[in-house]
Amino acid sequence: DQQVKQNSPSLSVQEGRISILNCDYTNSMFDYFLWYKKYPAEGPTFLISISSIKDKNEDGRFTVFLNKSAKHLSLHIVPSQPGDSAVYFCAAHVYNTNAGKSTFGDGTTLTVKP
Amino acid sequence: NAGVTQTPKFQVLKTGQSMTLQCAQDMNHNSMYWYRQDPGMGLRLIYYSASEGTTDKGEVPNGYNVSRLNKREFSLRLESAAPSQTSVYFCASSRSGTVGYTFGSGTRLTVV
Repeated sequence: DQQVKQNSPSLSVQEGRISILNCDYTNSMFDYFLWYKKYPAEGPTFLISISSIKDKNEDGRFTVFLNKSAKHLSLHIVPSQPGDSAVYFCAAHVYNTNAGKSTFGDGTTLTVKP
Repeated sequence: NAGVTQTPKFQVLKTGQSMTLQCAQDMNHNSMYWYRQDPGMGLRLIYYSASEGTTDKGEVPNGYNVSRLNKREFSLRLESAAPSQTSVYFCASSRSGTVGYTFGSGTRLTVV
């Protein structure tokens, strides 16, 4: 049973417009939710996170929204730039002071067209 | 500042061969992780280490062993490689009490 799901394998948007990437989860015990960005032949890079007790976190062009009742989160990128083209992974994290563990979705490939 | 370094970057093995994937981090992080990523799928946790001298199983540990040699290094060993272990392997590290990981660039392993 997949605990973290990204139902859209791909998304294409025009430069300057908003990109919205979605993620659903099933386990209410997750403490944090994160987004990672991955370019080909590189490892994922941490982008932004949100605590389960918050509903919004913003960092520059990136905003993550959390709807706990719906077990749904989304990443908004405004405005989208061609350099944002990458695979975006949603991750749900069980916090532990020693070693928390993250469960990842399958990723969404974002293409931003000039 | 190297971050997380993985070696080798590419490897082809024959079924039944063994090998060790190496990972080292220079950020003084306590926790280290091994994930695998299969085509079109997300990352799945193989093993992790909360601190030097401790290791724990993740979601898909069968067929693998790990060693946390010291605080910097965390290796992943395949004793008898199988085609089902063809994947890209990522090592990651994090500071205790934080939630984001720093990943290495991955090892692409093919078992024929």
